[in-house]
Order: sequence, then C-alpha cells, then structure tokens
Amino acid sequence: DVKVTQSSRYLVKRTGEKVFLECVQDMDHENMFWYRQDPGLGLRLIYFSYDVKMKEKGDIPEGYSVSREKKERFSLILESASTNQTSMYLCASSLPGTATPGAFFGQGTRLTVV
Amino acid sequence: AQSVTQPDIHITVSEGASLELRCNYSYGATPYLFWYVQSPGQGLQLLLKYFSGDTLVQGIKGFEAEFKRSQSSFNLRKPSVHWSDAAEYFCAVGALTGGGNKLTFGTGTQLKVEL
Repeated sequence: DVKVTQSSRYLVKRTGEKVFLECVQDMDHENMFWYRQDPGLGLRLIYFSYDVKMKEKGDIPEGYSVSREKKERFSLILESASTNQTSMYLCASSLPGTATPGAFFGQGTRLTVV
Repeated sequence: AQSVTQPDIHITVSEGASLELRCNYSYGATPYLFWYVQSPGQGLQLLLKYFSGDTLVQGIKGFEAEFKRSQSSFNLRKPSVHWSDAAEYFCAVGALTGGGNKLTFGTGTQLKVEL
C-alpha cells in the first residue's frame, strides 16, 4: 500500500527554536510537497520538490526552508519558530507530469509553538 | 495562477439524502481537478480526479463529480449520504510546473450528516 509517513503527529516547540519536520514516502515518487492547513484557509503550499536537491517556493515560503537529499525524504525546516507557525503541516508525494494519479498525503503533524 | 473556490463552508444533510458540494476553479489551460476527503485527525484521501475525456467521473465511496468547462465548475455529488461521510472535503486544481504537478486547494467544505 502507498505510504507517506510524517515523523511526528504532535510537536510542541518554543519560540525561536529550529524545528525539523520529516517526511518519508515509499512509492519512489519524484514530487514531494509541504502544506500547512489552517481553519478557514484550506491547505496552502509552502514548498515543493520535483527531484532530489530541486525545490520551488509555494505560496507561503516565508519563514520556512526545505531539504531533499534523497528521493524518499523531504524535510521542512522552521529556522526560528514563531507562534504564527502553529498549524497542521501535511506532507504529500506524487508522480510527475500528466500521469500523476493525484497526491498521496501523510497523516499530518500538528505543531504548536509556545 | 490557478485558484479554487468552495463557496460553502458548512453543509448539513440528513442521512440518505443526496449531496452536492460546489467547486469553482480558475486556470488558464485544461485543468487537472481533484476532490479529497479528510476525516477528523486524518490526512487527505483522494476521492476522484479529472484529467480529460468523459466529464462525469466516478470515485470511491459512491462519489461522482462532473466537470463543466463553461461554468468552470467541478461539483461533487453523492445520491445517498451515509453518516460515515461526515468529514471535510477539499477541491483542488493541478498545474504543471517545473516538471511537477502543483496542487492548489480550496478552503474546504465541512459536511455534517444528521441521523
């Protein structure tokens, strides 16, 4: 079965901390995505990657960076966590191009910054 | 840039009644359209997708959606709702960029099912 695994379901971090959210997929997908989900705002794209070491900014990249050193792993980094980054973070992966069956999502990481 | 509008934030239906969730999109080319469902505390699950061809697409759990280019719509339907369908539903449009397929989501519709 297709699987996208996020390393933590819940995280509590302090303001100013550097935070790493990890995502691993076992489907050999080229594309990987990080979204944040907030009530009333839906899912907003932070960053995505279409190949190892390749990345593109999404709609709300400010305050975030990403790393993709291996095809199966895509990390989201909060350089200096702030309270307005408290949110649900969702990782997804998909095949490239028009053949994609749609993205597959992980269970999400609920991050609270205090 | 692409965008998706889901005009209904909340919808309540009785179990056994029919359901239609609205989705309007904006995109300059032929869109790739998706509906996802999210149950409480869970990730998103793909219900169905439209790429080309037949404008009425069938998905899992008895859902279907109809692509109407003239109305820029991709509404989700189900003839008879079950209590287990209570969840949040997201419409999304896909765009090719940099070799990838960037998905842009609507703000979601929360479905409540009354027994």
